[in-house]
Amino acid sequence: QITLKESGPPLVKPTQTLTLTCTFSGFSLATSGVGVGWIRQPPGKALEWLALIYWNDDRRYSPSLKSRLTITKDTSKNQVVLTMTNMDPVDTATYYCAHRQIYDAFDIWGQGTMVTVSS
Amino acid sequence: DIQMTQSPSSLSASVGDRVTITCRASQSINNYLNWYQQKPGKAPRLLIYAASSLQSGVPSKFSGSGSGTDFTLTISSLQPEDFASYYCQQTYSTPHNFGQGTNLEI
Repeated sequence: QITLKESGPPLVKPTQTLTLTCTFSGFSLATSGVGVGWIRQPPGKALEWLALIYWNDDRRYSPSLKSRLTITKDTSKNQVVLTMTNMDPVDTATYYCAHRQIYDAFDIWGQGTMVTVSS
Repeated sequence: DIQMTQSPSSLSASVGDRVTITCRASQSINNYLNWYQQKPGKAPRLLIYAASSLQSGVPSKFSGSGSGTDFTLTISSLQPEDFASYYCQQTYSTPHNFGQGTNLEI
């Protein structure tokens, strides 16, 4: 059974760096074909794809946020970490991590973690 | 970037109805199109991948079709639990953008 869970601070100040951790079980990022992605959703708005990391350490980013995002994996800990620099109130959102399946669809999602950016 | 446009943005229907939601890509994405359902306060749920393949555990009342730039999600015999938001997503090239969503209301 695959599960994922996001963790991180619920509140960050403008200009700070956000670090989110996705801790998962039921699969390994050392296995060929596996990937984990990050998606966010501002309150009342649509889903926004942020980044995706594959088993071979191939990393893909949203071009509009690429300068601010870094996605890394720790295979031994079964974790994926997303960092976002220079946080702004418009980055207030629920952040999800999800397991990538065939066709890069996200078949299993974490419960999400709400992050508010405010001074 | 490939832009995804869903229509309608909101849709009112009744229990028992059959509804169709449309998603259009700004360029051809072959069949790299996925559909998700999201209920308030919950994470999205994958319904359809590769335009028409039903995800395991999803009831057959959900069906998808299309290729290239135009895609549809059809939900038959609406039940109360189907009233939710629906999103399409292209995975042909990164960023794997989502559509703006369709809110299906009673």
